[in-house]
Amino acid sequence: AQKVTQAQTEISVVEKEDVTLDCVYETRDTTYYLFWYKQPPSGELVFLIRRNSFDEQNEISGRYSWNFQKSTSSFNFTITASQVVDSAVYFCALSEWWGYGGSQGNLIFGKGTKLSVKP
Amino acid sequence: ETGVTQTPRHLVMGMTNKKSLKCEQHLGHNAMYWYKQSAKKPLELMFVYSLEERVENNSVPSRFSPECPNSSHLFLHLHTLQPEDSALYLCASSQDRRSGGELFFGEGSRLTVL
Repeated sequence: AQKVTQAQTEISVVEKEDVTLDCVYETRDTTYYLFWYKQPPSGELVFLIRRNSFDEQNEISGRYSWNFQKSTSSFNFTITASQVVDSAVYFCALSEWWGYGGSQGNLIFGKGTKLSVKP
Repeated sequence: ETGVTQTPRHLVMGMTNKKSLKCEQHLGHNAMYWYKQSAKKPLELMFVYSLEERVENNSVPSRFSPECPNSSHLFLHLHTLQPEDSALYLCASSQDRRSGGELFFGEGSRLTVL
């Protein structure tokens, strides 16, 4: 069975601190996709990144970086020099490779980590 | 503005009422989705529509009835709901359901069942 665990329910940091959000996943598939979404107070989920299971290169986008390690089944997300606008709930998600016949919308979400960045 | 609009944003209904949630996407996408976000569970996929055809139904009770009259509109008809159905219902769309593109979400409809 597929499962995503975000052990950190809530994190509070002060602006300019670095923060890492943990994500551990379980799947029997050899090919799959991992995602991070951000949910600000307005409610909509905003796509941040998608990573294929066969691409273990880490990725950096501005202040955001992602560390994907298949050996530990982890896909952690780091925000460098956090800002108040980063305050949101962050979700990690997993989906099977849609070449198996599934739908890309069939995401398995973790319970989310609520990040509060204080000025 | 994500291009996916949901109405109403808030809805309170009794257990015997019938109401509908509406989703409209202005992105030219071919796939649309309903997700449920409740306080006690992770986000759950409810329904998937591709080119107006329902392609997935994840064991959702029949008191939830989706409708997709065209590729831009998606409805969720609600009847005889239970208090445990109170949740945030999120609509999403994507170019199609296997293109690898991202999902675009609406801001959700907050449903309270009394």
